[in-house]
Order: sequence, then C-alpha cells, then structure tokens
Amino acid sequence: DSGVTQTPKHLITATGQRVTLRCSPRSGDLSVYWYQQSLDQGLQFLIQYYNGEERAKGNILERFSAQQFPDLHSELNLSSLELGDSALYFCASSSHDRDNEQFFGPGTRLTVL
Amino acid sequence: AQSVTQLGSHVSVSEGALVLLRCNYSSSVPPYLFWYVQYPNQGLQLLLKYTSAATLVKGINGFEAEFKKSETSFHLTKPSAHMSDAAEYFCAVSEGFDDMRFGAGTRLTVKP
Repeated sequence: DSGVTQTPKHLITATGQRVTLRCSPRSGDLSVYWYQQSLDQGLQFLIQYYNGEERAKGNILERFSAQQFPDLHSELNLSSLELGDSALYFCASSSHDRDNEQFFGPGTRLTVL
Repeated sequence: AQSVTQLGSHVSVSEGALVLLRCNYSSSVPPYLFWYVQYPNQGLQLLLKYTSAATLVKGINGFEAEFKKSETSFHLTKPSAHMSDAAEYFCAVSEGFDDMRFGAGTRLTVKP
C-alpha cells in the first residue's frame, strides 16, 4: 500500500459528460501528480501541483483541469468527455525530496460510452 | 530536458531464465533513475532507484539495476524469472525535484 488513495475505482459515463476524480496523497507529501494511461498512448503526465499551486503541465487537454486543496487532496476534472478519454488515471505524490520519488495510487478506470 | 528510452516493448523469457530489461536515458545533469513495476489492474510500484550512491542498486523481488554513466544506461536484471514477475516495467529519470519522465514501458511475459 503506497498510502495514496484514489476514488472512485471505476467510473462509467457517457460522452459529453463531466466527471471528477479525487486523490489523497501520502501523509506529509506536498506534491501531487496526475497521469493518464491508455493502451495507445502509454503513461502520459498530465499535471503537477505543489502545496496548492500548479507546478508543471504536461499533455493535459483544455477540457481537463485540476486543483489541489488546502488539505492537499487533489481533484482532476474531465469535461465534455469523448470516447478517447477512456483510460486509467493515476495520481502520485512525492515529498518533494531531491530525487523526486513518486508514490502511485491504485488508479481510477474511466470508461466513456 | 531529460528522457528515457526503453528498448523492447515486449520481452518474453522462460521461468528460471535471466531477465534483462533495457533502459537508456538522456540527462544534462547527474540523474536520478527509477524502475517501477505495474501488475495488472494496479498502480505503479517502485522496484528500485539510483540516487548517486552505489552504481549497482538492489531492489525488491530479487531485481537489480546497474547505472553505467559511459553508456547512459540503467538496465534492470533478475537472475531467474518467476511467473509472478509477469508485469509491465517502467524506467524513469528525474533531474531533481519536480520533473520525472517515464519510458514507454516493457511488458514482461514469463513462460512456464
């Protein structure tokens, strides 16, 4: 158990809808990362937050947004969903130590029908 | 920016055979290097990491990796494969603090 929790585990929704994925980092970790994993694209970095502020952006679509709250949990919002958004979404956290070791949650499997 | 290349998207070995998963990196500064494993329907789990101490790093489940600066490599090995090693393996490189880049992954199949 990495100490990172994600909810829900599974999510099935329809095209055009909006969903929110939630992540709670390990106790004490200030950085949260979001990744998308799909069969055709592999593991893609989406966005990072550090202590409530956006720190780095990867291949995140404009339809997607995220935030990190004062209690350090984070939410990833996906809107105007398309079939191609079906994927596993992982959250990871790190203590922001120099080596940047990341601890991954179990993921949320999103299916868009 | 740093990057990682994993040679071979699929590797198949027989049970008891040597496992060798290849990773080459590119970095402008001394890197931190990681191997993660992902079992089916699970998140990524750290196998081992190199942080500029010993060049031969031992990880969990009998895996080890050797940092070779001259070859910019960080290959993952295990002397004897077990059926339970079947998974996807990701190499990653960090130049410190925020930025970590993952390779495309190598799927390891272990044949009985």
